[in-house]
Amino acid sequence: GAVVSQHPSRVICKSGTSVKIECRSLDFQATTMFWYRQFPKQSLMLMATSNEGSKATYEQGVEKDKFLINHASLTLSTLTVTSAHPEDSSFYICSAIATGIDIQYFGAGTRLSVL
Amino acid sequence: GQQLNQSPQSMFIQEGEDVSMNCTSSSIFNTWLWYKQDPGEGPVLLIALYKAGELTSNGRLTAQFGITRKDSFLNISASIPSDVGIYFCAGQPGVTDKLIFGTGTRLQVFP
Repeated sequence: GAVVSQHPSRVICKSGTSVKIECRSLDFQATTMFWYRQFPKQSLMLMATSNEGSKATYEQGVEKDKFLINHASLTLSTLTVTSAHPEDSSFYICSAIATGIDIQYFGAGTRLSVL
Repeated sequence: GQQLNQSPQSMFIQEGEDVSMNCTSSSIFNTWLWYKQDPGEGPVLLIALYKAGELTSNGRLTAQFGITRKDSFLNISASIPSDVGIYFCAGQPGVTDKLIFGTGTRLQVFP
């Protein structure tokens, strides 16, 4: 199946710093990528939908100025958590839809810990 | 955000037993998907269902797309220790729409 790479897998940062997470589709082009957040023992909650070359669409309650999403190419989307605080600590997972194939492939996730 | 109701919430079974879990929604979906998530990893697709009434198998896994398009179930036969993990259903209203995830079923298999 298609491979989605997410980097870094784990990041620990101080409160107030910004963290960038990358999501790459390695062997296919993805016009659409999705960013999810998962708190411990909970399900995945969609944060935003990222379309190549256009602005991301954010779900209700997700602050677009805090979670900056850039989808500059057909194989790369980035999520930047700006001025991170301890409550932003979570597992962030991206997924990508291959053009012409209607299945979302997921990355391995990034565990963010904000001290 | 919207979530699908998934049951049971957790299951503790003995190796070799069969497992059944289901997912229900108040709205109609055109696609139902079942994923497995291991600790610290992203979800991995197990089975995708595209038609109401469809019954699809993948090895020891069998899933069905409910005829009302508002539910789906997943069966695992003859469970083994590596089946341990969290199973999520996901519904998709349209082909490239966002996924709505279920609340998850945590499966523990004892030898």
